[in-house]
Amino acid sequence: EADIYQTPRYLVIGTGKKITLECSQTMGHDKMYWYQQDPGMELHLIHYSYGVNSTEKGDLSSESTVSRIRTEHFPLTLESARPSHTSQYLCASSEFWGGTYNEQFFGPGTRLTVL
Amino acid sequence: AQSVTQLDSHVSVSEGTPVLLRCNYSSSYSPSLFWYVQHPNKGLQLLLKYTSAATLVKGINGFEAEFKKSETSFHLTKPSAHMSDAAEYFCVVREGSQGNLIFGKGTKLSVKP
Repeated sequence: EADIYQTPRYLVIGTGKKITLECSQTMGHDKMYWYQQDPGMELHLIHYSYGVNSTEKGDLSSESTVSRIRTEHFPLTLESARPSHTSQYLCASSEFWGGTYNEQFFGPGTRLTVL
Repeated sequence: AQSVTQLDSHVSVSEGTPVLLRCNYSSSYSPSLFWYVQHPNKGLQLLLKYTSAATLVKGINGFEAEFKKSETSFHLTKPSAHMSDAAEYFCVVREGSQGNLIFGKGTKLSVKP
């Protein structure tokens, strides 16, 4: 069964704090993604990675950073959280097979609130 | 540039009646199209996908969608709604085999008893 995990599920934090949102997948997928989703809105891609040591910026500009040191792990970091960062963050992964990246599997999301 | 337009932000049906969620797309190349469902406080789950094979695509939980190139549409249907179908549905386009996904704004489906 496909498994992709995100921790924490909910986070309430004060302005200026450094935070790291964790994402791990057990499927050995090459490509991983971070999306930002405001309530009732569509998902916007903020970061993605083709594999270890690869990171790319997505369509939506974000002050967050990501790293990919291990295939299964793709953490997202905010150095100094601000209220404008309040949102839901969704992690996803997909497998490269048959010349294409197959469907993306999503984690349950982290709902971040910055006071 | 590719884009997706979901024509209804909210659809309400009665249990046992048909469901129609509408989606139009814009793409310069032969697109791949997907429908994802998101239940409250959950991640997204793939319902079905079109990748240039059969134009009528069957998915999970009785959902299906038809790719109509002439109308640039990929509407999602289900013959009989169930209470558990209440969720947010996203139409998604991917350009080519390696492009990133572009999401529509979503359609919230409500199912009345």
